[in-house]
Amino acid sequence: KAGVTQTPRYLIKTRGQQVTLSCSPISGHRSVSWYQQTPGQGLQFLFEYFSETQRNKGNFPGRFSGRQFSNSRSEMNVSTLELGDSALYLCASSSGQGADGYTFGSGTRLTVV
Amino acid sequence: GQNIDQPTEMTATEGAIVQINCTYQTSGFNGLFWYQQHAGEAPTFLSYNVLDGLEEKGRFSSFLSRSKGYSYLLLKELQMKDSASYLCAVNTGRRALTFGSGTRLQVQP
Repeated sequence: KAGVTQTPRYLIKTRGQQVTLSCSPISGHRSVSWYQQTPGQGLQFLFEYFSETQRNKGNFPGRFSGRQFSNSRSEMNVSTLELGDSALYLCASSSGQGADGYTFGSGTRLTVV
Repeated sequence: GQNIDQPTEMTATEGAIVQINCTYQTSGFNGLFWYQQHAGEAPTFLSYNVLDGLEEKGRFSSFLSRSKGYSYLLLKELQMKDSASYLCAVNTGRRALTFGSGTRLQVQP
């Protein structure tokens, strides 16, 4: 089965701009969660969506938002970019069965200059 | 709060066995995951423990003690390609994974 697809792979943006990242989960998976990975903070949970509803949100400012579409594809948006938003953004899809784990996409490397 | 501790770095020799420990204190527990992550790549799933005991998967085994808030990942017959970061993550029951900072393993010839 196809894995989790994230686009784009790399992105360079300027401070103050906004950015939208996309994630297509494994077919049949309805849960999509987003994580930010930085060298200093490691992997941190952003939010989780299931059937177009945000069920959980991490401790990030309101500039970080997301949504999920009826086909389970998800997007996350970061507005008013700051230098500190430079990170690897990872999307994970889950079937909801614990032992299957969360399957991660290859991520989007965002650089804010 | 949530706290997951792992050693920052470990070094081992090709062919040897290495054990990576993880201790956790979380507000909820719904399973513990181990992931492998090579530099610049996505984390890949290695193992999942929800009950106490040992889970074995080929060269990799993972152990969990819920009463002690402790897990370890055991890698046998180390290969050079095992050089990577190993991430311990707890599902706190709120559909979110809380990750440790990761252990960078260097396998030497």
